[in-house]
Amino acid sequence: QSVLTQPPSASGTPGQRVTIPCSGSSSSIGRNYVYWYQQLPGTAPKLVVYRNNQRPPGVPDRFSGSKSGTSASLAITGLRSEDEADYYCAAWDDSLSGQLFGTGTRVTVL
Amino acid sequence: EVQLVQSGAELKKPGESLRISCKGSGYIFTDYWINWVRQMPGKGLEWMGRIDPSDSRTNYSPSFQGHVTISVDKSTSTAYLQWTGLTTSDTAIYYCARPFGSGSVPGYWGQGTLVTVST
Repeated sequence: QSVLTQPPSASGTPGQRVTIPCSGSSSSIGRNYVYWYQQLPGTAPKLVVYRNNQRPPGVPDRFSGSKSGTSASLAITGLRSEDEADYYCAAWDDSLSGQLFGTGTRVTVL
Repeated sequence: EVQLVQSGAELKKPGESLRISCKGSGYIFTDYWINWVRQMPGKGLEWMGRIDPSDSRTNYSPSFQGHVTISVDKSTSTAYLQWTGLTTSDTAIYYCARPFGSGSVPGYWGQGTLVTVST
């Protein structure tokens, strides 16, 4: 599998919890850390989770990551309007000796 | 503060050559890989390849191998992405990025360089 699979869209109302899944393989997510990025319109991606479940400084604790086997997920709790963005997962793939990005999920705040 | 500052937008014709740059500051440039990532209009992120600035060792995605060249100038802490024969399909935003900690997966990103190839 040369790509990490995400649903194209997810949505929720303010205050709700949204979960974004990311499916990989034994050579990607199964053996390596997962990273998550938020991309607001017209801007560069921003790291929100690294090494499966760690948050960089300045990222709210409303963002959390988890991993199990060959899948991972990003959860956003207490959804806010400023969370409306595209979200991508990423992981190294040992078979490809290269990095994979997820297909991307657009989160809409209703 | 870690910063990656990329060169400005480019407008090119098919067949032309191009080199865009990414200058790192706020850290030891040779300690971290530099990745290049493509984002075509309205599309997702695609990893193109990476370079180890300490020894110029490179890895390319099979999708980009042979079409682009990644290089580095340690003396100026600058990484480059180069094409020798642009096509309209190369129209995209190109990002450079370095890891947040150990490993290679991007953490810090440049602001992006828009490359437009058009007749």
